[in-house]
Amino acid sequence: GQQLNQSPQSMFIQEGEDVSMNCTSSSIFNTWLWYKQDPGEGPVLLIALYKAGELTSNGRLTAQFGITRKDSFLNISASIPSDVGIYFCAGQLRGNKLVFGAGTILRVKS
Amino acid sequence: GAVVSQHPSWVICKSGTSVKIECRSLDFQATTMFWYRQFPKQSLMLMATSNEGSKATYEQGVEKDKFLINHASLTLSTLTVTSAHPEDSSFYICSARSAGRSYEQYFGPGTRLTVT
Repeated sequence: GQQLNQSPQSMFIQEGEDVSMNCTSSSIFNTWLWYKQDPGEGPVLLIALYKAGELTSNGRLTAQFGITRKDSFLNISASIPSDVGIYFCAGQLRGNKLVFGAGTILRVKS
Repeated sequence: GAVVSQHPSWVICKSGTSVKIECRSLDFQATTMFWYRQFPKQSLMLMATSNEGSKATYEQGVEKDKFLINHASLTLSTLTVTSAHPEDSSFYICSARSAGRSYEQYFGPGTRLTVT
């Protein structure tokens, strides 16, 4: 089945630094989504990308849908302590099923 | 908007008993709901897709007789774990797709199931 390769697996950065994570796939997706999950809670949608090449921002977050439709990246600028959590990329298949990446654990040193 | 709730948030049950988990879309109608399972430090794995008024579609390897799904209305889907065993202990999360915004799924807060 489809798999998403998400990297890095974890990051431990200084507050104020920028963060970048990405996902790649061997399959084409029509939609890429980025979620954040805090411990013991469900994922929260951060950014949804619908078109190849699309670059979308949400506050300090910026994400792009790769032109080949097989990859996406998420950038977080000027990280703050509340950015801590697990970030998941997800590709959407027909039937609206989501395939999730393994997640990137983000830790921020203040 | 787009709030999804789950009940209960956590449950402990004895081996052999059944547990029902509810997933509700609070401020929108959800034609499709999805049920996921997440083990500690792992990603979400789709268990089944639930469409209102029809039978759920289960992913390969998921026992439909063990994980009963009922999507009785546009705002409610339930997952019943039947004859639970300790290996069923996990974090169960539902998501709902808005009828009006076809590409976005909104997740519930999850239910922590512990089977003793």
